[in-house]
Amino acid sequence: NAGVTQTPKFQVLKTGQSMTLQCAQDMNHNSMYWYRQDPGMGLRLIYYSASEGTTDKGEVPNGYNVSRLNKREFSLRLESAAPSQTSVYFCASKLQGATDTQYFGPGTRLTVL
Amino acid sequence: EDQVTQSPEALRLQEGESSSLNCSYTVSGLRGLFWYRQDPGKGPEFLFTLYSAGEEKEKERLKATLTKKESFLHITAPKPEDSATYLCAVQAGNAGNMLTFGGGTRLMVKP
Repeated sequence: NAGVTQTPKFQVLKTGQSMTLQCAQDMNHNSMYWYRQDPGMGLRLIYYSASEGTTDKGEVPNGYNVSRLNKREFSLRLESAAPSQTSVYFCASKLQGATDTQYFGPGTRLTVL
Repeated sequence: EDQVTQSPEALRLQEGESSSLNCSYTVSGLRGLFWYRQDPGKGPEFLFTLYSAGEEKEKERLKATLTKKESFLHITAPKPEDSATYLCAVQAGNAGNMLTFGGGTRLMVKP
């Protein structure tokens, strides 16, 4: 099992450009998450999908959109990138229950110039 | 509002020098407290889940404990390979599917 995979690993964008971060899991998990991690801020939830067909906002959703493409895949889109979106982005998944463990992908390091 | 505070922010130890990391939390109805390890340039790696006060879990040189207000991650006789950032997160009863993370403790173990 590959677990949670993310593409790309690194990306540099110019202000105003758009891009989609891809996430896939092969653990048959129902819930999937997108976080961003910034120095001194810890991990903050952007969006999550409790199950296929549903998505909800997290703590910092502004400037992002998500798509739960199917049970395996959950993508994060930046429509018009801003320097404030420079961060490391992590995808995570868990089986479904409130106390089930979230498993994380390796991350995407995004720089917006 | 759910809050998680980790201390210290950074900790330097000599190899073999035992110590503890702290995770203090304020939540409405704790459902679970999670510890993760994160190496530079990688995603968080799951270590433990604790569900109720008094619970303890161990893995190699690590032992996690939980009280009603805080959790400790005890590191016994650490080795350089234990160097990493340790993250604590809580699942609150009214938070649905969301975890609240602390800022992490960066541990450096020198040989």
